[in-house]
Amino acid sequence: DAGVTQSPTHLIKTRGQHVTLRCSPISGHKSVSWYQQVLGQGPQFIFQYYEKEERGRGNFPDRFSARQFPNYSSELNVNALLLGDSALYLCASSLSPNRSNQPQHFGDGTRLSIL
Amino acid sequence: GENVEQHPSTLSVQEGDSAVIKCTYSDSASNYFPWYKQELGKGPQLIIDIRSNVGEKKDQRIAVTLNKTAKHFSLHITETQPEDSAVYFCAARNAGGTSYGKLTFGQGTILTVHP
Repeated sequence: DAGVTQSPTHLIKTRGQHVTLRCSPISGHKSVSWYQQVLGQGPQFIFQYYEKEERGRGNFPDRFSARQFPNYSSELNVNALLLGDSALYLCASSLSPNRSNQPQHFGDGTRLSIL
Repeated sequence: GENVEQHPSTLSVQEGDSAVIKCTYSDSASNYFPWYKQELGKGPQLIIDIRSNVGEKKDQRIAVTLNKTAKHFSLHITETQPEDSAVYFCAARNAGGTSYGKLTFGQGTILTVHP
């Protein structure tokens, strides 16, 4: 069975540009979460989506936005890129909105570099 | 919000020895505690998790213990092998509140197993 897939795997942008990252969850999973992992640190929660609605948001500026589609795939958008946005962006999927503590399974991420 | 502290930051052991990684959390409402293994160039891989109604869980060479009173949990790896070398992250989740999908991660432990 396919795991969580993310695209692209690597991306190079310059300051001020915008970027769209994509995620396809594990088949049957309806919830998608996005995390940012800066080199040498643990992942930081950005968003969670379930049934196309935002169900949780971390401490990130409004330049970060996301959406979920009817097929449960998701996009993360970042506008007005800053050097500090350089990181590994991880997508995780789970069966449900996690009230029953369903485990989250991660993709291999998109490595975003800002020049 | 939740804060997770993880120690040690680096751990070096000989093949066959045991390895222990410890985490403490701040939010007494947290009730789900997963552990992830991250290899170079990959996303975090769930290796074991524990819920707050359980004190210990084992899966072959891996075990996790939870002390709710002290708010700490630990990962134990026995009979370590070189392929166990990776970065390990603990995490905590509070199923209540507005961001119930949010995992809060520790800072990570770089485990090196020497042949």
